[in-house]
Parts: sequence; structure tokens; C-alpha cells
Amino acid sequence: GQNIDQPTEMTATEGAIVQINCTYQTSGFNGLFWYQQHAGEAPTFLSYNVLDGLEEKGRFSSFLSRSKGYSYLLLKELQMKDSASYLCAVSSISGGYNKLIFGAGTRLAVHP
Amino acid sequence: GAVVSQHPSWVICKSGTSVKIECRSLDFQATTMFWYRQFPKQSLMLMATSNEGSKATYEQGVEKDKFLINHASLTLSTLTVTSAHPEDSSFYICSAIDREDYEQYFGPGTRLTVT
Repeated sequence: GQNIDQPTEMTATEGAIVQINCTYQTSGFNGLFWYQQHAGEAPTFLSYNVLDGLEEKGRFSSFLSRSKGYSYLLLKELQMKDSASYLCAVSSISGGYNKLIFGAGTRLAVHP
Repeated sequence: GAVVSQHPSWVICKSGTSVKIECRSLDFQATTMFWYRQFPKQSLMLMATSNEGSKATYEQGVEKDKFLINHASLTLSTLTVTSAHPEDSSFYICSAIDREDYEQYFGPGTRLTVT
């Protein structure tokens, strides 16, 4: 089966850096996604890693280690608008097609 | 970028009635669409995978006779919640895979409230 773990909640200060970790177990691994979701809205894409290493995109970076089943999302220069849920999602091939399974999400609260 | 729409964006229905939710890929063709359900303060739970022209594949614990999925064309999938009950009240989100670049795009979601 599949198992995705990430912290339930985190808090951070405006302007700081925060790292959200995600560990996973899956078969047929085909990439790991991070999404941001504000309450009542659909998720929005942040990053995608399929190879080991760090992917940087502006204030957001995502890291993947396939051998360890581990990823993290790094948010720099935090802003109040970054308060949201961050979803780690693992893509795997099952039955001939890609399936995206989400972790429970990490609710991040950014305070002044 | 690719756009996925859902209709309606919110719906209130009475217990025992059926509700149909549409998911459309507006500017691309999608051979595969997914349906998710999200309860408050919880993550997205995959309900089923919808493949154009074939029967949907349901995740364990999802009743296929209650949640009817039809993927009649490369741009449209529908989810019908039959004999709705208050516990079916949730946020339903679809996503579609663009068969050109294999990216997955999410719809804006449909909030269903069953009274």
C-alpha cells in the first residue's frame, strides 16, 4: 500500500524560513508533488520532483531523496499570505496509469 | 495554462435526491480524470479514476453504486452522487491529465451540502 506522512501543523514568523517534511512509502513511484491549498479552494501546484535533489523556484524549494522516501518543501522569506495547508502528494503507476495520492497536509500559520 | 472547470461550484440538495457534478477540461483533451473528496480540515481522498470510454476504477471503500462516474468524452467526466445523505456533504474536486504533456490539472471544486 501507500503511506504518506507529514506534520499536521506548523507555525512560523513572517520573514523566516520554514521546512515542511514528507516521508512516503509506495510502489511504482513516479514523482512527488507539493501543493498549496487555502481554505475552501482547490490545491495549486507548487513543485514536482522525480529525480533526487533540490528544485528551486523563487521563494519555494523542494527536495527529494528517493532512496530515503523523503521530501521537504522549503519556504523562504515567509509572508502572511503563505498561511495555508501544504499537501505532499505521491504519483505512482498503478494498473497502467498514474495515480496521485495525497498526504494529510500540513497547516502552516505565519504570524507577524 | 490548462484549465479545468467544474459545475456547479456549490450545490445544496435534500437528503435522498441525486446530484450530478461535471468536470470539463476546457483547452485540452484528458484521457484520465480523477475524482477526490475532501472533508473539512482533511486532505484530498482519491475516490476514483475515470478513463474515457471505459468504466471508472474506484478506490477501496468507495461505493460505485452510490458515486456514479461517466467519462463520455475526452473533455468531460461526471460524478453523480445518488440518494445523497448529510454525510456526503463535502468538497468534491476533479483533476484531469493532459494527454499531451501528462500534467495533472485540478478543477476549482464543488461544495455539496446535503440537508
